[in-house]
Amino acid sequence: DQQVKQNSPSLSVQEGRISILNCDYTNSMFDYFLWYKKYPAEGPTFLISISSIKDKNEDGRFTVFLNKSAKHLSLHIVPSQPGDSAVYFCAAKSNTNAGKSTFGDGTTLTVKP
Amino acid sequence: NAGVTQTPKFQVLKTGQSMTLQCAQDMNHNSMYWYRQDPGMGLRLIYYSASEGTTDKGEVPNGYNVSRLNKREFSLRLESAAPSQTSVYFCASSRTVTDTQYFGPGTRLTVL
Repeated sequence: DQQVKQNSPSLSVQEGRISILNCDYTNSMFDYFLWYKKYPAEGPTFLISISSIKDKNEDGRFTVFLNKSAKHLSLHIVPSQPGDSAVYFCAAKSNTNAGKSTFGDGTTLTVKP
Repeated sequence: NAGVTQTPKFQVLKTGQSMTLQCAQDMNHNSMYWYRQDPGMGLRLIYYSASEGTTDKGEVPNGYNVSRLNKREFSLRLESAAPSQTSVYFCASSRTVTDTQYFGPGTRLTVL
């Protein structure tokens, strides 16, 4: 059973608008969540993270929200830029097993000029 | 500062052949990881090494072996390749297991 799910395989947004990428998890032991961005033919790069003791973390245009009761997190990108077009992966891990990250299947974001 | 490097970039094997994927990092990181990514899927952890001298299984270790050769290098070996191991393999490293992971560019492996 997939423990981290990104139910939207793709998302298309107009430049300047908000992009919202969603992620759900089932394992209540997860207490640290990360978002990675991946361009074609490159490795993923870390974007932003959030600990379960917080419900929001912001870094420039990127904000991650965590709703622990719903086991749901989202990544907001405002304003979206064409260079943000990439695959975004949500990942989760637990403090008791910090070496093991579980990834979702990714959402392909396309930002149209 | 090259970060995480992987060799080779591409490889085609026949079923039953063996090969070793190489990974090296120059960031003095303690922890290193091997993932695979199949089309349309996320990354799945094969093995990781929390520190030099230790290795642990990840989510999908069957059919693979690893060696943490020294602090810089972490290799992944396929003893008898199978078509199901066709994938893109990513190596990553982090200062410790709780820190941000930095990924290499990947090795695209095809097993015929």
